[in-house]
Amino acid sequence: DGGITQSPKYLFRKEGQNVTLSCEQNLNHDAMYWYRQDPGQGLRLIYYSQIVNDFQKGDIAEGYSVSREKKESFPLTVTSAQKNPTAFYLCASSHRRQGTNTEAFFGQGTRLTVV
Amino acid sequence: RKEVEQDPGPFNVPEGATVAFNCTYSNSASQSFFWYRQDCRKEPKLLMSVYSSGNEDGRFTAQLNRASQYISLLIRDSKLSDSATYLCVVNSSTGANNLFFGTGTRLTVIP
Repeated sequence: DGGITQSPKYLFRKEGQNVTLSCEQNLNHDAMYWYRQDPGQGLRLIYYSQIVNDFQKGDIAEGYSVSREKKESFPLTVTSAQKNPTAFYLCASSHRRQGTNTEAFFGQGTRLTVV
Repeated sequence: RKEVEQDPGPFNVPEGATVAFNCTYSNSASQSFFWYRQDCRKEPKLLMSVYSSGNEDGRFTAQLNRASQYISLLIRDSKLSDSATYLCVVNSSTGANNLFFGTGTRLTVIP
């Protein structure tokens, strides 16, 4: 089945630790995104990538890092510099067609909690 | 000004009611538009795309008004299972980051 997979579903982090959230897609999509969602809030863009080996900061990139070494994979690292990392993290991917992105498909999300 | 703005609600409606949500966007060059549904503690899922001529999928109707820069979603004969948050998404042609999400409108259908 084609789709986008995030892991783990739940993650607990101690203060001062870096953690990496996995996102893999087999939809052959060029574009991939990471969003953060806080309770009762909308989606805020952390990073996005339109092509392998290239990525751009979104609105709230501070304290996060990403890589895009393969088309299928777009891992997100939450570093110790992110002061309030507890949130629901969503990865998405979409096609690029005629210079624009089509609808996005989401993974099931990772719920990160700092303990 | 935000790229996409939605009334957060909540909208509380009885079963069988008709309810409509609007969403405004700021970039007149925006090219495509979508409505997503998000259930509590789940990922957003595509509900429907919004076409220039308007489109319908069962009880759901989406409309686009380019002149006033808004899109709408109409739900007829509301079901309990329609309770969710509805996200408006706009795809702009300018800049590499093409997808802009509204903050969502919360709908609760009451028995």
